[in-house]
Amino acid sequence: QVQLQQWGAGLLKPSETLSLTCAVYGGSFSGYYWSWIRQPPGKGLEWIGEINHSGSTNYSPSLKSRVTISVDTSKNQFSLKLSSVTAADTAVYYCAREGGVVYWSGYYGGRTYYMDVWGKGATVTVSS
Amino acid sequence: QSVLTQPPSVSGAPGQRVTISCTGSSSNIGADYDVHWYQQLPGTAPKLLIYRNNNRPSGVPDRFSGSKSGTSASLAITGLQAEDEADYYCQSYDSSLSTSGVFGGGTKLTVL
Repeated sequence: QVQLQQWGAGLLKPSETLSLTCAVYGGSFSGYYWSWIRQPPGKGLEWIGEINHSGSTNYSPSLKSRVTISVDTSKNQFSLKLSSVTAADTAVYYCAREGGVVYWSGYYGGRTYYMDVWGKGATVTVSS
Repeated sequence: QSVLTQPPSVSGAPGQRVTISCTGSSSNIGADYDVHWYQQLPGTAPKLLIYRNNNRPSGVPDRFSGSKSGTSASLAITGLQAEDEADYYCQSYDSSLSTSGVFGGGTKLTVL
């Protein structure tokens, strides 16, 4: 049974860098892409970005300039850094596994997947 | 503004059937991309509820079902129970954005 355990600083000041780590236990790490998703208080889910075991990344265009996702395969961990945070970055941050991957789908192709395993979430508050 | 549009809220009495819609466009659902659904109980992480339009992961009751037609998808819940009160999100791939990281805005289900 795959489990994701995540941790990181919960309280930040504006302009600081958010840093979270997610560890994968009980399953394959190298066979998957791994995502970060966030949820502001009372709002919906927002995909931040993804990484695979070889370090290949994709980011949401709206956050791309501030986001870095990295991987440590020796520890089966991946990490999120978000720079220059503001109050708008206050959210619960989730890590998740991308399962059910299909490498060519739909009319126009593209790698499609769903999030089949989620971490419990880490609350990050940005306040001066 | 989400690429996938869901009603903010739906409600139903115990035992009833409710549906939650997820409306997209020709660059996502209408382009034959699969739709997935998540259930988020209060204070918890989302949980995969339906994958690839109409498939249930192990352990999900058959009261939950999904369908897709044209540029929309729907989640149906029959025999509504108090424990079904949660937020529900759809997810799909969008070819304009070139990502599967596209979620609907979420629907709050209230069991009356």
